[in-house]
Amino acid sequence: GAGVSQTPSNKVTEKGKYVELRCDPISGHTALYWYRQSLGQGPEFLIYFQGTGAADDSGLPNDRFFAVRPEGSVSTLKIQRTERGDSAVYLCASSLGLAGEGGELFFGEGSRLTVL
Amino acid sequence: AQTVTQSQPEMSVQEAETVTLSCTYDTSESNYYLFWYKQPPSRQMILVIRQEAYKQQNATENRFSVNFQKAAKSFSLKISDSQLGDTAMYFCAFTKGGTSYGKLTFGQGTILTVHP
Repeated sequence: GAGVSQTPSNKVTEKGKYVELRCDPISGHTALYWYRQSLGQGPEFLIYFQGTGAADDSGLPNDRFFAVRPEGSVSTLKIQRTERGDSAVYLCASSLGLAGEGGELFFGEGSRLTVL
Repeated sequence: AQTVTQSQPEMSVQEAETVTLSCTYDTSESNYYLFWYKQPPSRQMILVIRQEAYKQQNATENRFSVNFQKAAKSFSLKISDSQLGDTAMYFCAFTKGGTSYGKLTFGQGTILTVHP
């Protein structure tokens, strides 16, 4: 597609449920990033992929959070046993490469997760 | 660890006038990159301007320019001839570059409102 696509745009779930958020990057972009943005705050880094492998997952808050990118394109962020504190906008970004001008991030419009 | 601080939660300006948004950061890195991103209500983060720390010349992009003071660790954004479409949340961001180029640390953001 022309831009980074994220689905769903909005997700409301109950505490304790499992959630999957999907990111479809720009075609040909090898790097993919997940960020979390709590209300009124700047985005916080969660994880990034180069190809199929997670190059840096140091931002994942705990083992309830997991992300995959099995074919090096679409990525899914998975959250188990959701808690109210997980409520946030989850932003995905992709880039052509990892560094320099090719490393410029293109962001999607995010998935707003609300945990009741 | 890097930190980015935006001390102005909200700013307002009249259309066609000039406004400056402030940002300070802390890092022990000698080379790095600084950015200003714009986030309108659509939630999509849009790159406004980028500055490479080893370049002494301040970056400019049309109506947007920065004042980069490396010794003071200050990176302000000046918007000239403000337009109604500039109304958005603005984030200052830092990366140390290299293969971690897309791993950004964001400030808390400044809400800018342009009044007609």
